[in-house]
Amino acid sequence: AQSVTQLGSHVSVSEGALVLLRCNYSSSVPPYLFWYVQYPNQGLQLLLKYTTGATLVKGINGFEAEFKKSETSFHLTKPSAHMSDAAEYFCAVSALGYSSASKIIFGSGTRLSIRP
Amino acid sequence: DADVTQTPRNRITKTGKRIMLECSQTKGHDRMYWYRQDPGLGLQLIYYSFDVKDINKGEISDGYSVSRQAQAKFSLSLESAIPNQTALYFCATMSSRDTDTQYFGPGTRLTVL
Repeated sequence: AQSVTQLGSHVSVSEGALVLLRCNYSSSVPPYLFWYVQYPNQGLQLLLKYTTGATLVKGINGFEAEFKKSETSFHLTKPSAHMSDAAEYFCAVSALGYSSASKIIFGSGTRLSIRP
Repeated sequence: DADVTQTPRNRITKTGKRIMLECSQTKGHDRMYWYRQDPGLGLQLIYYSFDVKDINKGEISDGYSVSRQAQAKFSLSLESAIPNQTALYFCATMSSRDTDTQYFGPGTRLTVL
């Protein structure tokens, strides 16, 4: 069984500040991990993903995330927030590397607000 | 043109009415999914289909049914809508040849009065 927990339903940072959105997962097999972003009135868009290999993955719009197996974490970061980063962010986990029939399990989401 | 489209985008209906939400995709993907999004709960899987003849229940299938009319079309029905089915509904697709990325439609906002 797999699960994902996002710490903090709402995060607010100043423009230019570091963005850190936290995600912890539980998986009995090597996980595939994802971050999706949802802008207002839009569907979800893949931001980045970890499947195998390098544990630091880079995504679109300057975001990156690091897979830490020992901490069962996959936190999302961006060095300098921009107003356009305001959105809802979803962490997700799957066992697709173990079974192609695995479903993707989503976290409850973190709403990111950017203060001018 | 969008690769994954959903119709309608918004719908208001009354309790007890039958509602159908439609999803079409031009990505050529074999797998399709229906999710429901509620504030604070993230996305919950309602039904998923790995091909036209393979349909499976997700976490919250009660009160919903689906039809995979063709590889490109996957419809979600509420046979008798109730107010707690008010939510944002998303369709997603994925290829079995690239099983680590789902592509989402823009969503359907459904309100049941």
